[in-house]
Amino acid sequence: DQQVKQNSPSLSVQEGRISILNCDYTNSMFDYFLWYKKYPAEGPTFLISISSIKDKNEDGRFTVFLNKSAKHLSLHIVPSQPGDSAVYFCAASNSGAGSYQLTFGKGTKLSVIP
Amino acid sequence: DVKVTQSSRYLVKRTGEKVFLECVQDMDHENMFWYRQDPGLGLRLIYFSYDVKMKEKGDIPEGYSVSREKKERFSLILESASTNQTSMYLCASRGGRGYTFGSGTRLTVV
Repeated sequence: DQQVKQNSPSLSVQEGRISILNCDYTNSMFDYFLWYKKYPAEGPTFLISISSIKDKNEDGRFTVFLNKSAKHLSLHIVPSQPGDSAVYFCAASNSGAGSYQLTFGKGTKLSVIP
Repeated sequence: DVKVTQSSRYLVKRTGEKVFLECVQDMDHENMFWYRQDPGLGLRLIYFSYDVKMKEKGDIPEGYSVSREKKERFSLILESASTNQTSMYLCASRGGRGYTFGSGTRLTVV
């Protein structure tokens, strides 16, 4: 049972335009969400996060939106740059009960075309 | 700068070999994790450890074991490597609410 879903395996966007990566979750106990970026042959690196008490968090070109009622979050990259081409993983955790684990989606491969 | 270091970037091993993948973190984190990443399957948790000498099975522990003798080191062991264990292996440690990942080990079993 996949608790974190990234339904788009891939996405292509023109340089300078907006990239929108989507993520859905099913576990209503999740209260903290993260996005990781991964280049080939490297480990994932943390990009941005959001707590369930917020509906938006912004860091430079990256903004994450959270819609708790829909159990949906999205990552917006504006403007997109060729260096943003990577696999993006959505992850979620339940910070209650001392949970240590992040649950990851399967990833979305973003290609930014120059 | 915090670091998670995986000892090998690339490994080629033969079927049936015992394989050790080493991971060291310098952040004094208690929680460490081993994942494998395969195309179309994302990151799948193999094992994790929340303290020295403690270990818990993840989603896909079959064919693997782990060792955590010291806080900074978490080893993944493939008892008898098989071709379906060819993958990218990622170690992570947890500080706060997020993970720090190592650079990964690309293991090929032939």
